[in-house]
Amino acid sequence: DAGVTQSPTHLIKTRGQQVTLRCSPKSGHDTVSWYQQALGQGPQFIFQYYEEEERQRGNFPDRFSGHQFPNYSSELNVNALLLGDSALYLCASSVTGTGKRNTIYFGEGSWLTVV
Amino acid sequence: RKEVEQDPGPFNVPEGATVAFNCTYSNSASQSFFWYRQDCRKEPKLLMSVYSSGNEDGRFTAQLNRASQYISLLIRDSKLSDSATYLCVVNAVYGGATNKLIFGTGTLLAVQP
Repeated sequence: DAGVTQSPTHLIKTRGQQVTLRCSPKSGHDTVSWYQQALGQGPQFIFQYYEEEERQRGNFPDRFSGHQFPNYSSELNVNALLLGDSALYLCASSVTGTGKRNTIYFGEGSWLTVV
Repeated sequence: RKEVEQDPGPFNVPEGATVAFNCTYSNSASQSFFWYRQDCRKEPKLLMSVYSSGNEDGRFTAQLNRASQYISLLIRDSKLSDSATYLCVVNAVYGGATNKLIFGTGTLLAVQP
């Protein structure tokens, strides 16, 4: 049973460019959350997707957008990259619904460096 | 004020020492509490959940005080392998999302030989 998988693991982009990060949740999980972790900080909630819709967004600008596909996988897109977007981007998968054990699993993350 | 606040680090302790981490949270409606461990350049991993009755897992003991909105983690007989960042985490119950985690900034523990 595969856990949460993210790709790419590392990437370098130039200011102003756009990036797409991908996440496949753990088998049986239907909810995907994205977090940004800057150096020396705890992860910060970006947004959450369930049933292909954004359910909640954290304090991030519209340059950050996402998508969830029918197979529950998800993408995080960041436009007009800034140096400050350099961070570890983490995907977390879980299950929504009553009676479900709310165990949250993280992927290994995607390291984004903006130069 | 941050939603989850932790002791500033780093904590440098000798092997065998007992070390305590403290954390406070601001939203009294929070219902689930956790300690995560994060190794350098790795993803956070669940160390243990925290319950009002307190819970223990080997050398690790977690406590929750809902009245004070305070969470603690005690590590006894520290090992070199305990060196990591420890993140205090609260599961937010507002805003529509489920399983939305609010993380503290983390406390770095360095166990010295």
